[in-house]
Amino acid sequence: AQSVTQPDIHITVSEGASLELRCNYSYGATPYLFWYVQSPGQGLQLLLKYFSGDTLVQGIKGFEAEFKRSQSSFNLRKPSVHWSDAAEYFCAVGARRGGADGLTFGKGTHLIIQP
Amino acid sequence: GAGVSQSPSNKVTEKGKDVELRCDPISGHTALYWYRQSLGQGLEFLIYFQGNSAPDKSGLPSDRFSAERTGGSVSTLTIQRTQQEDSAVYLCASSLGEYSSGGALREQFFGPGTRLTVL
Repeated sequence: AQSVTQPDIHITVSEGASLELRCNYSYGATPYLFWYVQSPGQGLQLLLKYFSGDTLVQGIKGFEAEFKRSQSSFNLRKPSVHWSDAAEYFCAVGARRGGADGLTFGKGTHLIIQP
Repeated sequence: GAGVSQSPSNKVTEKGKDVELRCDPISGHTALYWYRQSLGQGLEFLIYFQGNSAPDKSGLPSDRFSAERTGGSVSTLTIQRTQQEDSAVYLCASSLGEYSSGGALREQFFGPGTRLTVL
């Protein structure tokens, strides 16, 4: 069965500093990988996704993520965070056709931005 | 264009009562998903509909949970005899189909959720 681990429950970063949120997955083949962001009272918004090809993917709001097969990781990065980036971030894995339906999510990382 | 909408946004009920949660997917989206977001469990997949096909119910936590999708569009998630552990945010998502013709998993668009509180 597929699974996702986000080892950091909370992360605090100063505004303007760089950010890296960790995500490790377990899946029997090359997975579909996603990062979603959830702001208070909002639904989930897709930041970026990896299906195949270039392992460094660019997303919205200046975010990027790198797929590393050898480490089973898909860490999210941003070079300079803004106060508006404070939110809950979820990594998710989706199965290839014929696999499980629905996305499997990590438990999320709560990002706090210090002024 | 309208996104995925869910109603009600908040629902407070008493233990033992039945509740119905509604999801209106994006027009033209054939795939519809329900997820549950709770403090202890994070985001869990519940059920998936593709068009008018029989749903994948593998994620439903108990037989008190059921869902239907009328006319391939609006979906209702019903929880019978609610328990306190059912308290959570129930999220609905839709997509153009589960996979593209090329085999890529399609992006799911999420609604704002229904916050259910069982007293």
